Amino acid sequence: EDQVTQSPEALRLQEGESSSLNCSYTVSGLRGLFWYRQDPGKGPEFLFTLYSAGEEKEKERLKATLTKKESFLHITAPKPEDSATYLCAVQERSVQGAQKLVFGQGTRLTINP
Amino acid sequence: DAMVIQNPRYQVTQFGKPVTLSCSQTLNHNVMYWYQQKSSQAPKLLFHYYDKDFNNEADTPDNFQSRRPNTSFCFLDIRSPGLGDAAMYLCATSSTRFGREQYFGPGTRLTVT
Repeated sequence: EDQVTQSPEALRLQEGESSSLNCSYTVSGLRGLFWYRQDPGKGPEFLFTLYSAGEEKEKERLKATLTKKESFLHITAPKPEDSATYLCAVQERSVQGAQKLVFGQGTRLTINP
Repeated sequence: DAMVIQNPRYQVTQFGKPVTLSCSQTLNHNVMYWYQQKSSQAPKLLFHYYDKDFNNEADTPDNFQSRRPNTSFCFLDIRSPGLGDAAMYLCATSSTRFGREQYFGPGTRLTVT
């Protein structure tokens, strides 16, 4: 069974203090690893998709990387508006062409000014 | 500009009183999903539609049902809500191509009194 584990559960940083969030996974044939951002009381917002080991994607202060066993979300010089829960998900074997996601529990990130 | 719309954003119902949540999309995606998310937990898939084909997750209670009258709309019916059904309900859509991301709506926060 596919599993996704995120660490740490919660992370507090000072504004400008760079760090990384971890997502480790076990899946039989990775079809995609997804990162989402979720603000309190809102739906997840899509950030990145990674498909193969060695792949990297960037968006503003965020950079996602992928190895065969884990993915990292690097946050460079974060600002308070980067505070959110970051969810990682892997695509499970699909049924009838509909991709199903297995989510991790998320990392709750707080950036203090 | 909204792509996945959920109504209402907040719903209060009484114990045992049926409730319907709605979702609409402007992306013309074939697949629509319903997730349940409780506080500080990962989204849990309840079911999904591939076009008009309904796919139920094995552990989704019979109390939850869904309807998809056309490509754009999907409804979640909770026949007899219990206190344990209080949660955020998220609708998402995706195209049928493997590895494509899911787009989430803002969610409906359900309170059961």
